[in-house]
Amino acid sequence: EPEVTQTPSHQVTQMGQEVILRCVPISNHLYFYWYRQILGQKVEFLVSFYNNEISEKSEIFDDQFSVERPDGSNFTLKIRSTKLEDSAMYFCASSEGVNNNQPQHFGDGTRLSIL
Amino acid sequence: GDSVTQMEGPVTLSEEAFLTINCTYTATGYPSLFWYVQYPGEGLQLLLKATKADDKGSNKGFEATYRKETTSFHLEKGSVQVSDSAVYFCALKDSNYQLIWGAGTKLIIKP
Repeated sequence: EPEVTQTPSHQVTQMGQEVILRCVPISNHLYFYWYRQILGQKVEFLVSFYNNEISEKSEIFDDQFSVERPDGSNFTLKIRSTKLEDSAMYFCASSEGVNNNQPQHFGDGTRLSIL
Repeated sequence: GDSVTQMEGPVTLSEEAFLTINCTYTATGYPSLFWYVQYPGEGLQLLLKATKADDKGSNKGFEATYRKETTSFHLEKGSVQVSDSAVYFCALKDSNYQLIWGAGTKLIIKP
């Protein structure tokens, strides 16, 4: 069964540095998403992406964050000037569409640790 | 805004026990409802879904029925196994793109 893959599985970065989290969505999917889960808290929506542009973003997704689909397969989340509170599990997801019968499929996540 | 409330965990059961994990929601529209499962060290996997009132989602012996009158989507399984130990998340999707998540319920099954 096709999967969403995320790399790396764990990223450790010094505060203030930039990180890029990478995702390869399922190949025939058109909608892509990033979520995060701070330890002990709920999963939170960050952004959705369709047709090479952001379709929706949350209040969390401020100027520190950006997303890109640099080629036909990768979908990346860039976090600039990382802060301690950016430490979290980041999940990428993709879906064929946004109808209710087209669920989002998730990767295994990247654990980001900011020191 | 939309929200999902799950029963707090951990829920600890013996093997072959009956499982219920409660989930209620608040939504302005007519959302789709989902249960996702996260096994230790793994990502979020879709377990089952229901897209309209009275629909029953089922998978791997788990079931949940979309109850509009009680705004609930409780997860049930008749006989749990040790391998069912995981964190279970209830989520909804309304007219927007994003999933709204419950806090997750950790399930521990003892042999």
